[in-house]
Amino acid sequence: GAVVSQHPSRVICKSGTSVKIECRSLDFQATTMFWYRQFPKQSLMLMATSNEGSKATYEQGVEKDKFLINHASLTLSTLTVTSAHPEDSSFYICSARDRDNTEAFFGQGTRLTVV
Amino acid sequence: TQLLEQSPQFLSIQEGENLTVYCNSSSVFSSLQWYRQEPGEGPVLLVTVVTGGEVKKLKRLTFQFGDARKDSSLHITAAQPGDTGLYLCAGELTGGGNKLTFGTGTQLKVEL
Repeated sequence: GAVVSQHPSRVICKSGTSVKIECRSLDFQATTMFWYRQFPKQSLMLMATSNEGSKATYEQGVEKDKFLINHASLTLSTLTVTSAHPEDSSFYICSARDRDNTEAFFGQGTRLTVV
Repeated sequence: TQLLEQSPQFLSIQEGENLTVYCNSSSVFSSLQWYRQEPGEGPVLLVTVVTGGEVKKLKRLTFQFGDARKDSSLHITAAQPGDTGLYLCAGELTGGGNKLTFGTGTQLKVEL
């Protein structure tokens, strides 16, 4: 199956700093990418949907100025957590779909810890 | 309120037992997927069902999509320790675009 790579897999940052997470589709063109966050023992909650070349669509309750999403190319989307606080500590997961809109392929996730 | 409710939330069983996980909603889905997730990793797709009443089998796993496309079930026969993980259903709402809405999750532990 298609591969989606997330980087970094783990990151620890100080409170108040910004962190960027990358999501790459390695062998297909991802026209749509999705960003999720997952708290321990809980399910995935969709944060936003991004289409290549256009602004991301954020789910209700997700601060677009805090979670900046860029999808500038068909193989790369980034999520930047700005002015991170300890409550932003979570597992962030991206997924990608190609133009045929078939299966959604998931990255391996990024564990963010804000200290 | 979660759109897709899974039950049970937690399940601890012995190797060899059978189990069923349910995924219920009041909304209609154009398709529904089941995923299994290990700690610290992304979810891995097990199956996609798209037709009401559809039944799919994957070795010891049997998936069913409700006739009205509002619910689904996952049945595991003769569970093994390797089946341990977080099981997630996820659906695409009819007319809701191509985004996936995930269920509340079922944490399964299979012990020797």
